[in-house]
Amino acid sequence: GENVEQHPSTLSVQEGDSAVIKCTYSDSASNYFPWYKQELGKRPQLIIDIRSNVGEKKDQRIAVTLNKTAKHFSLHITETQPEDSAVYFCAAIGGAQKLVFGQGTRLTINP
Amino acid sequence: NAGVTQTPKFQVLKTGQSMTLQCAQDMNHEYMSWYRQDPGMGLRLIHYSVGAGITDQGEVPNGYNVSRSTTEDFPLRLLSAAPSQTSVYFCASHGEGVTGHLYEQYFGPGTRLTVT
Repeated sequence: GENVEQHPSTLSVQEGDSAVIKCTYSDSASNYFPWYKQELGKRPQLIIDIRSNVGEKKDQRIAVTLNKTAKHFSLHITETQPEDSAVYFCAAIGGAQKLVFGQGTRLTINP
Repeated sequence: NAGVTQTPKFQVLKTGQSMTLQCAQDMNHEYMSWYRQDPGMGLRLIHYSVGAGITDQGEVPNGYNVSRSTTEDFPLRLLSAAPSQTSVYFCASHGEGVTGHLYEQYFGPGTRLTVT
C-alpha cells in the first residue's frame, strides 16, 4: 500500500523567510496530493492540493510542486508570518481512494 | 450544512469496555474515513468506506470495527478498549470534485478518548 514520508519533523524559520517541507510517496498510482494545516487542538484543514497531471500550483504565499518521476512533492511558504505556525501534513490518494498522511512537520515562525 | 459531526467530544473508558464513536456527514459524500492521532504524531488511517455497504481496513485496524449502512453515518466501534487506544479520533469525508478540489477531505472536530 501507499507510504508517505515527510521531512523535516520540525522547522523553525524567521518571520519573512521561506519554509519548505518535503514528502515522498511510494505508490506510483497515487494521483492527488493535498496539504493540510492543523493548529493546536483543532482539526486538520486543507490549504492546497495538486493533481498528478500538474507540476506546480500556487495560491498567494503557498505553492506546491510535484515530481512524479522521483515521487516527491513539496510545500513552499514564502514571506512567512506568525499565523503560519502550525503542524503541516502532506498526504496522497492512490487507486484505493485511501488518503494516507505523512508524519507531519511542526513549523514555528520566530518574530 | 453541519459538515462532519462527531460524538462524543470526550470519553474516558476503563480497559475492556466497549463503545461506539459516532460520525455523520450531511454533504452526500461517498467516502468516509476514521483516523487516530496520537500526541505529537500524524494521522493514521483505521478504516475507510467508499460507499454504503462497503468498508475496508486502513493502516491500524486491529481492535476496531466499522459499518456503513447509510451514506451519512460511519460509526467506529471499540471492541475491548486498551490503554494503547488512548488517542484523538477524527472522522472525515470527501466527495469527488465537489469544491473544485479533486478530493477535499472534511474532518470532524474529533473525539478525545482516554482508556485507563
